[in-house]
Amino acid sequence: KQEVTQIPAALSVPEGENLVLNCSFTDSAIYNLQWFRQDPGKGLTSLLLIQSSQREQTSGRLNASLDKSSGRSTLYIAASQPGDSATYLCAVQTGANNLFFGTGTRLTVIP
Amino acid sequence: EAGVVQSPRYKIIEKKQPVAFWCNPISGHNTLYWYRQNLGQGPELLIRYENEEAVDDSQLPKDRFSAERLKGVDSTLKIQPAELGDSAVYLCASCKSSNNEQFFGPGTRLTVL
Repeated sequence: KQEVTQIPAALSVPEGENLVLNCSFTDSAIYNLQWFRQDPGKGLTSLLLIQSSQREQTSGRLNASLDKSSGRSTLYIAASQPGDSATYLCAVQTGANNLFFGTGTRLTVIP
Repeated sequence: EAGVVQSPRYKIIEKKQPVAFWCNPISGHNTLYWYRQNLGQGPELLIRYENEEAVDDSQLPKDRFSAERLKGVDSTLKIQPAELGDSAVYLCASCKSSNNEQFFGPGTRLTVL
């Protein structure tokens, strides 16, 4: 069974700092990897989707990379803002077309 | 374009009572998922529909959980009877077809007392 791990579990940074969130998965046979944001008491908002054939995706201040062979992905957030405070979840989609999620990284950006 | 709609947003019930959750996916999305998210954890799949067919319900506790998507559009997830351990957020997601980007609803937060 696919297992997804996210490190760190929690992260607190001052506003303006660049930061990296890490995601690792045990089975490299994936179709895609998706990064989500979840605000307290809310559903999930899709941030970036990387197909298995791609190495990275960018959206605004966010950049996600994928190294399928080593089972790793990173989410880079540039010039962090207090509004970026949320839990960030990584999920991989397998051949069974299901998403396996990590437990998330809770980010706090301090003004 | 409207997103995934779920209702109710919150539900508090006593154990052994039944409860039902409703989901309306994004228009044109054939694939619908129900997930359960426990506190501090990532969502875990309960069931996946392709149109009206449940193609993966291996993680659905079938002794007390049931789901339907009769016309291949909206879906209902039911728990009967509810147990204390069922307290969680139940999320619905949809996508155009498998392997596409999934879009999530706001979830239903269930509290079983």
